[in-house]
Amino acid sequence: NAGVTQTPKFQVLKTGQSMTLQCAQDMNHEYMSWYRQDPGMGLRLIHYSVGAGITDQGEVPNGYNVSRSTTEDFPLRLLSAAPSQTSVYFCASRRQGVGNQPQHFGDGTRLSIL
Amino acid sequence: QQQVKQSPQSLIVQKGGISIINCAYENTAFDYFPWYQQFPGKGPALLIAIRPDVSEKKEGRFTISFNKSAKQFSLHIMDSQPGDSATYFCAASMTNTGFQKLVFGTGTRLLVSP
Repeated sequence: NAGVTQTPKFQVLKTGQSMTLQCAQDMNHEYMSWYRQDPGMGLRLIHYSVGAGITDQGEVPNGYNVSRSTTEDFPLRLLSAAPSQTSVYFCASRRQGVGNQPQHFGDGTRLSIL
Repeated sequence: QQQVKQSPQSLIVQKGGISIINCAYENTAFDYFPWYQQFPGKGPALLIAIRPDVSEKKEGRFTISFNKSAKQFSLHIMDSQPGDSATYFCAASMTNTGFQKLVFGTGTRLLVSP
């Protein structure tokens, strides 16, 4: 009954470092996505995927890369961390289908860039 | 045209009172309007959702009111309880698109005082 699992929960980086935020889901959902949450700005879509091997950009993709080699995993890579990327990052998944399928969110990764 | 505007930013309600959070949108192509509830340290979770072909949807103490002509929708929490203290996000999407990108409001932090 894990749902969407994100690791790590907390991370501190120095400017210029790279890292990968991990996301895994065990619900066999086709769609996965990454959001960042900043105070007063709600959640903004970074990248999303509609299936293995298929990814696309969201609203704020700059500075981030994604890949989707399996249905279960959707890692988010920060190429060269900048202080502006200090945020809480959420991964989400949902079932493909006609109509309204609910998004299932992980508990987030809190990232600080010094 | 993709924005969803949410108010108030924060709200304090006494136990047993009614909490009301409002959202407005511009894009008339939106046809799915969910509300998400987020507790500290957790990811958002779907609370209740509505489509524009109905004016109201009720689930327990939670009600969405929808005004299509005004392009506004609101969340009402009846008999508010301290356990309802959380951040609430409204959102909107177009379900006739493949991924159905959610556009989120900026959030309302609700505190229900005992």
